[in-house]
Amino acid sequence: DADVTQTPRNRITKTGKRIMLECSQTKGHDRMYWYRQDPGLGLRLIYYSFDVKDINKGEISDGYSVSRQAQAKFSLSLESAIPNQTALYFCATSDFLRTDTQYFGPGTRLTVL
Amino acid sequence: QKEVEQNSGPLSVPEGAIASLNCTYSDRGSQSFFWYRQYSGKSPELIMFIYSNGDKEDGRFTAQLNKASQYVSLLIRDSQPSDSATYLCAVTFGLNNNAGNMLTFGGGTRLMVKP
Repeated sequence: DADVTQTPRNRITKTGKRIMLECSQTKGHDRMYWYRQDPGLGLRLIYYSFDVKDINKGEISDGYSVSRQAQAKFSLSLESAIPNQTALYFCATSDFLRTDTQYFGPGTRLTVL
Repeated sequence: QKEVEQNSGPLSVPEGAIASLNCTYSDRGSQSFFWYRQYSGKSPELIMFIYSNGDKEDGRFTAQLNKASQYVSLLIRDSQPSDSATYLCAVTFGLNNNAGNMLTFGGGTRLMVKP
């Protein structure tokens, strides 16, 4: 089984809808991250969490919120989706000692119409 | 604004040739440097990291770091069609193990290896 899983893998939604993307990991890592990827822009950090009680905004947090339900679960929500949130979303994890060595989930392709 | 720049490509090389991928970064205080490979529609996977000036070799891959020039590169020897992917450069702008240390990614370079 994959160490980092994301659900759903693909989602098409309409403008204004609320949507949640979920991430689970079995690596036992404390730290989890949400990124979005747009063509030519690399990966941009949305939110990150160093433990269940620690949530931090990344470079592009506006329009997003997160919840760290447990060490192994980190969810990303779009409260009112808009078309420019159409992107590929990745969850990643790292352990306490090596924040810079991150392991990525398979990604969720989100389309907002 | 801390920036990581890569030529988007595509970089096209014939099979068996050396592919050279380049990355520049804006902050002289940068500490750690990473290369991720991303196949189309897949997630990034770490292939190399380098912390010190000079070269680091791992199989067909060599990472080269020049902190004075704020430049990091990835050489792929004996390129194979299976190496065709997008290569992402990532940089941390702080100390290793620092709680505030985050990766900043470049936009990636698309590599095409032609048989």
